[in-house]
Amino acid sequence: TQLLEQSPQFLSIQEGENLTVYCNSSSVFSSLQWYRQEPGEGPVLLVTVVTGGEVKKLKRLTFQFGDARKDSSLHITAAQPGDTGLYLCAGHYSNSGYALNFGKGTSLLVTP
Amino acid sequence: GAGVSQSPSNKVTEKGKDVELRCDPISGHTALYWYRQSLGQGLEFLIYFQGNSAPDKSGLPSDRFSAERTGGSVSTLTIQRTQQEDSAVYLCASSLFLGAKWSTGELFFGEGSRLTVL
Repeated sequence: TQLLEQSPQFLSIQEGENLTVYCNSSSVFSSLQWYRQEPGEGPVLLVTVVTGGEVKKLKRLTFQFGDARKDSSLHITAAQPGDTGLYLCAGHYSNSGYALNFGKGTSLLVTP
Repeated sequence: GAGVSQSPSNKVTEKGKDVELRCDPISGHTALYWYRQSLGQGLEFLIYFQGNSAPDKSGLPSDRFSAERTGGSVSTLTIQRTQQEDSAVYLCASSLFLGAKWSTGELFFGEGSRLTVL
């Protein structure tokens, strides 16, 4: 069973700070996605990365896919309270079935 | 609405009873997933449908769990003889199928069905 590990598990910061969360696996991803989930709701897609070394930016969020396609990071610049939520990475493995495998997530709290 | 709809939103049942959870995906989405999310855990994959077929059932935790999809649309997840460890939020997601099993378009999730087994 492939395992996606996310770190840190919890993060509490003040508005305006920068942060980075990580997603790691021992296996190569065919593709990787980041989702954000708010309480009582389903996850919502933030980004999909496919190519090793790829960097994508979404306003204050920067996503990076490792060269070997085994890891990814999400960097948030000048965090805002609206960024609060559970950040989940999810990946497909080339030797797995149809399942999109999710990590346990990083729970982020941004206080004013 | 145009999103994924799940019902019931909350279900409280007694140990040993059967429950049915329903998912109405976005129209035109041929791919449908069921996941389970327990407190403090990530999303645990249960089953994947492509149309009415389920080519990947590898995540179903026991034979008490089953799912079907009819008309390439609505799906029902059934849990028989519920146990306390079945308590969780059950999430359904749908997406367009992009032609390869490793190729993932955006998954659109419903708000989930929260199951509590007493």
